Formats: sequence, C-alpha cells, structure tokens
Amino acid sequence: AQSVTQPDIHITVSEGASLELRCNYSYGATPYLFWYVQSPGQGLQLLLKYFSGDTLVQGIKGFEAEFKRSQSSFNLRKPSVHWSDAAEYFCAGSLGAGGTSYGKLTFGQGTILTVHP
Amino acid sequence: KAGVTQTPRYLIKTRGQQVTLSCSPISGHRSVSWYQQTPGQGLQFLFEYFSETQRNKGNFPGRFSGRQFSNSRSEMNVSTLELGDSALYLCASTQGYPSYGYTFGSGTRLTVV
Repeated sequence: AQSVTQPDIHITVSEGASLELRCNYSYGATPYLFWYVQSPGQGLQLLLKYFSGDTLVQGIKGFEAEFKRSQSSFNLRKPSVHWSDAAEYFCAGSLGAGGTSYGKLTFGQGTILTVHP
Repeated sequence: KAGVTQTPRYLIKTRGQQVTLSCSPISGHRSVSWYQQTPGQGLQFLFEYFSETQRNKGNFPGRFSGRQFSNSRSEMNVSTLELGDSALYLCASTQGYPSYGYTFGSGTRLTVV
C-alpha cells in the first residue's frame, strides 16, 4: 500500500544540537515529497519539497532534506536547533499518478519536536 | 500576496446540525483541497476541486461534500454532524498539479457537542 511513515512520534533535543527527523515512503515510483511544520492550533507551513534532480534539498529556516531512493527515505535535518523550532513536523508525499494524485497528499503521523534550553 | 484564508477559525455545533466552512485560495490558484486533522487519524484527505469540478476524493461518507465557485473559493459542508467530526479542517491551494506544491490555510477548528 502507498504510505508515508514517520517512525519517531516524539523527539527531544537540546538547543544548539543537530536534528534529524526520519521519513520513509512506500510507493512504486519516485513521489513528490514535502516537509511541513505545524505550531499548535495552526495550519501547515511548507519547509521544503522534492520533485526530482538534486537529492539534497534546501528549505526555509535552515532546514534541509535528503532523498535516498535506495532507502525510500526523505529525512529532514538541521545542524543547530533553536527553541523556536519546537513544533510538530509532517512528512507528506504525493503518491499516485494522474487523477488519483490531484490535490491529495499522504501524510505521516507527525513527529513532535521538543527543544530543551 | 495573501495566503490561503479559511473562515471561520472556530465553530461549535450540536450533533445533528450541519456546517459550512469556507476557503479562499491564493490568487491565481485554481485547485483547492480539503483535509481533516484529528489526534487519532492524523491528516486525511477529503476532496479536491479544480475549476469548479471535483477531481479527487478521499474515503469519507457522503455527509461530507464540497463545491468550488468560479473565483476558485471553495466551501465544505458537513451534514448531520457527529461527535467524531470534531477536528481541525484544513484547506490547501495550488496552481493545479502536485509539482507546484501546496499552501495551507490556518484551518477551522470544529467542535461538535
């Protein structure tokens, strides 16, 4: 079945430490992949997206993600976390061809990031 | 450029009532998608409209419906509300295809009592 999985429900890091959030997908071809961030009670803000080409994608707020086809992964990274990065992070994919993909993102369950001072 | 605007931000309804939510996409975006977000089920796709036509839909009962107007604004309607419909409803707009990416609104928080 086509799916996006975030193995970590909750991650805690210290401010200034590096961060890696994991995302795996199950799909027969290369999907369009996205990372979003959500603050409590708010909508989703797009951090970065991957469609094709360079497998290392740069996003906003100092985030980057690397697409690895062999591992079906699209992990999000940040070299130094700030307290304001505390939020919930969602990996999402457009998994489908033609009409089945229109407007539909398949989301992982999300990873809650806590940042300790 | 204005973002995706959803109204109202909060709603409280009683079981059995119906509700209509509104979404105004980014200017020039012709596709609007709707999602339901709950703690138990996460983010689930409801349906997508493009140029006033529903192009795709998720696995939700017929009580959930939508429409899109000629100015691309979209409405979502839920009839005969159930307690389980309590959720954050998000809409997203795009120019028309996944490759353009999706911009989300801040959502409407619906509480059914």
